[in-house]
Amino acid sequence: SAVISQKPSRDICQRGTSLTIQCQVDSQVTMMFWYRQQPGQSLTLIATANQGSEATYESGFVIDKFPISRPNLTFSTLTVSNMSPEDSSIYLCSVRQGDGFGYTFGSGTRLTVV
Amino acid sequence: AQKVTQAQTEISVVEKEDVTLDCVYETRDTTYYLFWYKQPPSGELVFLIRRNSFDEQNEISGRYSWNFQKSTSSFNFTITASQVVDSAVYFCALSADPNAGNMLTFGGGTRLMVKP
Repeated sequence: SAVISQKPSRDICQRGTSLTIQCQVDSQVTMMFWYRQQPGQSLTLIATANQGSEATYESGFVIDKFPISRPNLTFSTLTVSNMSPEDSSIYLCSVRQGDGFGYTFGSGTRLTVV
Repeated sequence: AQKVTQAQTEISVVEKEDVTLDCVYETRDTTYYLFWYKQPPSGELVFLIRRNSFDEQNEISGRYSWNFQKSTSSFNFTITASQVVDSAVYFCALSADPNAGNMLTFGGGTRLMVKP
C-alpha cells in the first residue's frame, strides 16, 4: 500500500486566516481525495483531485473556501481559507491502494480555529 | 445513491468480552466493496478489511472476524476477547467500482470503549 505523509498533524489558527495542508505520497497515484471529519462525526468527502485538472468538489464545498492543488502525481495540498470556528475538524487525504480496490489515508490534520 | 448505517453510536464493554459492531448498507450497484476502518484517539484511519460483493465468505483475522450477508445487506464486525487497545471509533464504508472513480461512503461510526 502507498504511504502518505500528511502535514501538519495539528494546528491552532486564528479566525480569518488560512491553513494549507500537504499530502505527500510515496508512489504515483492518479486520484487523491480530501475528507473532512467534524468533531464526533463521520468523514465527508470534500473533493477529488486529479493531476493536471481542476478538483471536483462535492455538494456543499466550494473552491474559494477549499482550494486544492495537485501539481504532480505524488503531492497535493488543501487550503482552508478564511477560517471560522466551524472549520475546526480533522482533515484527511486519501489515495486508492495499489491494487485499485482500497483506500489508504494520511494521518490527518487536527485543526482548531479560535 | 449509496448509504451506510451504523446504528450503534457507542458501545461499552468490559475487557475480554466479545462485541459485534453492526453495519447495514444500501447500493444499487451489483459490484461494490465494503470496508472497515479503525480510528484510534490519535485520529488516523487504520484499514482493517476489504470485501467485494461477490465474496460472501466470512473472514477471521486473529481476534477479528467479519460476517458479510448480501441477503440482509449487512457486513458486521466482531471482536473476540476485547482488549483496552481496541477502544476506538470504527467506521464501515462502501464503494462502488473504484476503477470507475467512485469514492468511499462512510457510516456514522461506532465508538467502542473497552474498560479494564
